[in-house]
Amino acid sequence: SYVLTQPPSVSVAPGRTARISCGGNDIGGKSVHWYQRKPGQAPVLVISYDSDRPSGIPERFSGSNSGNTATLTISRVEAGDEADYYCQVWDRLTDLQVIFGGGTKLTVL
Amino acid sequence: EVQLVESGGGLVQPGGSLRLSCAVSGFTFGSYNMNWVRQAPGKGLEWVSYITSGGSPIYYADSVKGRFTISRDNAKNSLSLQMNSLRVEDTAVYYCARDLLATSGFDAWGQGVLVTVSS
Repeated sequence: SYVLTQPPSVSVAPGRTARISCGGNDIGGKSVHWYQRKPGQAPVLVISYDSDRPSGIPERFSGSNSGNTATLTISRVEAGDEADYYCQVWDRLTDLQVIFGGGTKLTVL
Repeated sequence: EVQLVESGGGLVQPGGSLRLSCAVSGFTFGSYNMNWVRQAPGKGLEWVSYITSGGSPIYYADSVKGRFTISRDNAKNSLSLQMNSLRVEDTAVYYCARDLLATSGFDAWGQGVLVTVSS
């Protein structure tokens, strides 16, 4: 089945830019969605269809997708952005499957 | 306000059964596909099952195929997950989540319900 690979952790100082990668075979040919999950809370969709921001998501969150890597970029990082981030795609190789990456813990230093 | 509220979790012995429910409000339930997603302790998100707005087709993760059954009642704005032959590795917080298209992200989630499988 299709595999999405994320780095386990990313650390960034407040005010700097965080980039979280999501690797997959020809992932550029798929639509990638990104979720933020804070402890004790439900996941929140922060980027859909590679680069679209749902209503209510700050402009500091952006996404890109090309080749074998999709990237979630968080500009001007704030302490409140500290969370786990997951990428997700739909895979239709045989039956429909939803694939999540392993998740990346973003630490704000 | 869009709301999804799971219920039915608890402690069950290996081999046992449990039925989860997800009650929704604040949106037209029958227009959305629905999913169950789980997160085991210390692990990442894992998709479990998907059901279209009309109730068919239905898909399952290989890890639960043949043991779990997803269903919905659009008249009652309710989603269910019947879990049989439960294993220790099914222990997780289970979330219901909606999607508009079978390519879109999950734009609304419940708060989750804990299922613990242990002897």
